[in-house]
Amino acid sequence: SAVISQKPSRDICQRGTSLTIQCQVDSQVTMMFWYRQQPGQSLTLIATANQGSEATYESGFVIDKFPISRPNLTFSTLTVSNMSPEDSSIYLCSVGGGGNQPQHFGDGTRLSIL
Amino acid sequence: GENVEQHPSTLSVQEGDSAVIKCTYSDSASNYFPWYKQELGKGPQLIIDIRSNVGEKKDQRIAVTLNKTAKHFSLHITETQPEDSAVYFCAASNQRYTGNQFYFGTGTSLTVIP
Repeated sequence: SAVISQKPSRDICQRGTSLTIQCQVDSQVTMMFWYRQQPGQSLTLIATANQGSEATYESGFVIDKFPISRPNLTFSTLTVSNMSPEDSSIYLCSVGGGGNQPQHFGDGTRLSIL
Repeated sequence: GENVEQHPSTLSVQEGDSAVIKCTYSDSASNYFPWYKQELGKGPQLIIDIRSNVGEKKDQRIAVTLNKTAKHFSLHITETQPEDSAVYFCAASNQRYTGNQFYFGTGTSLTVIP
C-alpha cells in the first residue's frame, strides 16, 4: 500500500491564524481525501482532491475555510484558515478507494488552537 | 446517503477472550466494508475488509462477517492480546464508482486487560 507522509505531525496555533498541512504520497494517485477527526469522534470527510481540478467539498465545509491544493499526483495541501478553538482536531489525508480497494491514511496532523 | 452505526462504543475484555464489534449500514448499494484500527497518535490502519459477494473472511485472529439481507457486518477478534487495545472503525462504501465516499462508524474503543 502507499506510504503517506503528513507534515506537521502536530501544532499549536493562535486563534485567527492559518495553517497549511502537507500530504505527500510515495506513488501517483488519482484521488486524495482530507478528513477531520474531532477529539474522540469518527472521521468526517472534508473534501476530495483530484489533480488538475477544483476540490469537491462535503456539506458543512467551504473552500474559504479549507482551501486545498493538488498540484500533482503525489502531493496535496489543506489550509485551515482563520482558526478558532473549534478547529482543534486531527486532520487526516488518505488515498485509494475505488474498485473495492481500501483507503490508506497518513498519521494525521494534531492541531490545537489557543 | 449512507448511515453507518457501530456498537459498542467501548469494550473491555480480559486477555485471551474474544471481542465482537457490530456495524449496521443503511444503503443496500454499499458493497465494500473495511475495518480500521487506530492506535494512539496514529492514523487508521486497515486490518481486514470484505466485499459484498462474500459472507465471511478470516485472517489469523481476526474475522469479519457480512449479512447483506440484514445490512450488518461484524468484526471478531479471538484470543485478544494487550496490543489489540485501540479504537476500531468500520466503514461502508459503494465501490462501483471510483472515488465514492467511505462512510465511517463512530468507533469502538477496545481495551484488553492483561
